[in-house]
Amino acid sequence: DIQMTQSPSSLSASVGDRVTITCRASQSISTYLNWYQQKPGKAPKLLIYVASNLQSGVPSRFSGSGSGTDFTLTISSLQPEDFATYYCQQSYITPQTFGQGTKVEVK
Amino acid sequence: VQLVQSGAEVKKPGESLKISCKGSGYSFTSHWVGWVRQMPGKGLEWMGIIYPSDSDTRYSPSFQGQVTISADKSISTAYLQWSSLKASDSAMYYCARQYIANGGNLDYWGQGTLVTVSS
Repeated sequence: DIQMTQSPSSLSASVGDRVTITCRASQSISTYLNWYQQKPGKAPKLLIYVASNLQSGVPSRFSGSGSGTDFTLTISSLQPEDFATYYCQQSYITPQTFGQGTKVEVK
Repeated sequence: VQLVQSGAEVKKPGESLKISCKGSGYSFTSHWVGWVRQMPGKGLEWMGIIYPSDSDTRYSPSFQGQVTISADKSISTAYLQWSSLKASDSAMYYCARQYIANGGNLDYWGQGTLVTVSS
């Protein structure tokens, strides 16, 4: 299985901060990397697909980059509704593994 | 596009269970449907996917032999089934549509089905 490792596991930030979350794959996955946001008690929501493509309806403050094994999710200016847990997922090969999650908390 | 899952279940260890995920608003037979487990307070775990058109199914090794994924294309419904539940199966289970044309992301999700297994 491909292992997906996110860092950090949690972070504290303030509204307006620039936030960066990284995801590393244990082997190359080209750009088959997706990012999801999950709020408590809710289903995950797709934010970014194929590493850098913004899902329809997702605010442009979210962006993704990377290829191969190293990927980044950036929130350019954190908003109150962005406090949540974020997961990366590789869809390069089955089993399509998720990272362990990064919880973004209020500073 | 909507995926609507069956309601919460409370079962005893050893019992069987089948939960469902009904798709609407798109061609159900043209997209894979995946299942994802989330244990209490934990992260997301990819369990497996099924292509409803021909029931081609892929499992994570972690779940192979522990669950069965199936689909009935005539009613646009995918299923996740256990033959003998364990307490460790207590979790939230999500189904999601996999959009292969966009790199295989999970673009639409069901609301989740909470399964509680307790004696």
